[in-house]
Amino acid sequence: RKEVEQDPGPFNVPEGATVAFNCTYSNSASQSFFWYRQDCRKEPKLLMSVYSSGNEDGRFTAQLNRASQYISLLIRDSKLSDSATYLCVVDFYSGTYKYIFGTGTRLKVLA
Amino acid sequence: GAVVSQHPSRVICKSGTSVKIECRSLDFQATTMFWYRQFPKQSLMLMATSNEGSKATYEQGVEKDKFLINHASLTLSTLTVTSAHPEDSSFYICSARDGQAASYGYTFGSGTRLTVV
Repeated sequence: RKEVEQDPGPFNVPEGATVAFNCTYSNSASQSFFWYRQDCRKEPKLLMSVYSSGNEDGRFTAQLNRASQYISLLIRDSKLSDSATYLCVVDFYSGTYKYIFGTGTRLKVLA
Repeated sequence: GAVVSQHPSRVICKSGTSVKIECRSLDFQATTMFWYRQFPKQSLMLMATSNEGSKATYEQGVEKDKFLINHASLTLSTLTVTSAHPEDSSFYICSARDGQAASYGYTFGSGTRLTVV
């Protein structure tokens, strides 16, 4: 089983739609969780951290369920500029910190 | 915010030659840097963890004699791909974190696209 798993997509949605991405992780000792966005042929950029209580940043909402080892990202009112690959990232400590990426979920928002 | 500068952004080299990629933390000290590789349409795969002043820790399946990592100062880590072959062609990217706060996330260099011909 992969350490961090995501549905690769692609998700093709119309502008204005709400879309949700899911991610599961295998290491119960994982401590920190993030969603990154990666545009084609560019480096990943931090979208938001994910907290146990859930957190929201504008149109983006992230949730963490430690019991189920599950992370989600909800995007409301999708924009064309949201088209990218969304990477679930898990940071855990096992002697040293490691940052493990999910396979990424591709989103394409259609006009 | 924290900035990681990575060079070169793109390199084409002949098979059998070596290529050095540099990553510098510009406004913070990075005791640890991470090196990733990304093949087309795949996720970033952690290759190794670079620790300042000590040997790098390599992930399973990554040849440490082929991918030489040096982290001689708190602001510079280098990855050298030795005796490169076409199958080493990939997007190589480094990352570091400013501070110990988990919520900071990691900052990435802009990546190096290596093509071995």
